[in-house]
Amino acid sequence: DSGVTQTPKHLITATGQRVTLRCSPRSGDLSVYWYQQSLDQGLQFLIQYYNGEERAKGNILERFSAQQFPDLHSELNLSSLELGDSALYFCASSVEVAVTYNEQFFGPGTRLTVL
Amino acid sequence: TQLLEQSPQFLSIQEGENLTVYCNSSSVFSSLQWYRQEPGEGPVLLVTVVTGGEVKKLKRLTFQFGDARKDSSLHITAAQPGDTGLYLCAGASRSSGGSNYKLTFGKGTLLTVNP
Repeated sequence: DSGVTQTPKHLITATGQRVTLRCSPRSGDLSVYWYQQSLDQGLQFLIQYYNGEERAKGNILERFSAQQFPDLHSELNLSSLELGDSALYFCASSVEVAVTYNEQFFGPGTRLTVL
Repeated sequence: TQLLEQSPQFLSIQEGENLTVYCNSSSVFSSLQWYRQEPGEGPVLLVTVVTGGEVKKLKRLTFQFGDARKDSSLHITAAQPGDTGLYLCAGASRSSGGSNYKLTFGKGTLLTVNP
């Protein structure tokens, strides 16, 4: 158990809908990262927050957004869902960002299926 | 864009055999991490290598970081069915803008160890 929790575990929805994925980082970790994993693209970095502020953006679509709250939990919002958004979504956390080794600890993921 | 190429993509071996998987890039990384991911779960950090030429051992697993910090290898001795999983390498580098480090993941090597 990494100490990172994600809910829900599974999510099935229809095209055009909006969903929210939730992540709670390890105790003491200030940085949260969101990743999307699909069979053909592998693990793709979406976005990073540190202590409530956005720190870095990766391959995140404009239909997707995220935020980190004062209690450090984070939510990833996916809207106008398309079939191609079906994937595993992982949250990871780390203590800080400005370290060479930047070790990240991953949650169990949310499997999103868009029908 | 920094890319990490992992090879082979798939590997199926018998229990007791040795194997090596590779992680290569044309870019220099500050550090390199290896993760193992089992089906339906998040990646779990195995090791971080930081110094060029560094070798780390974790029981039957030996990790090496290339002298130029552009590549890495993972060698498993006497593989066991419990070693089955997706092995991911991830390179750490500074994000554009300064103080942030990001991880770039390879697509992984899917290892199956048959009893």
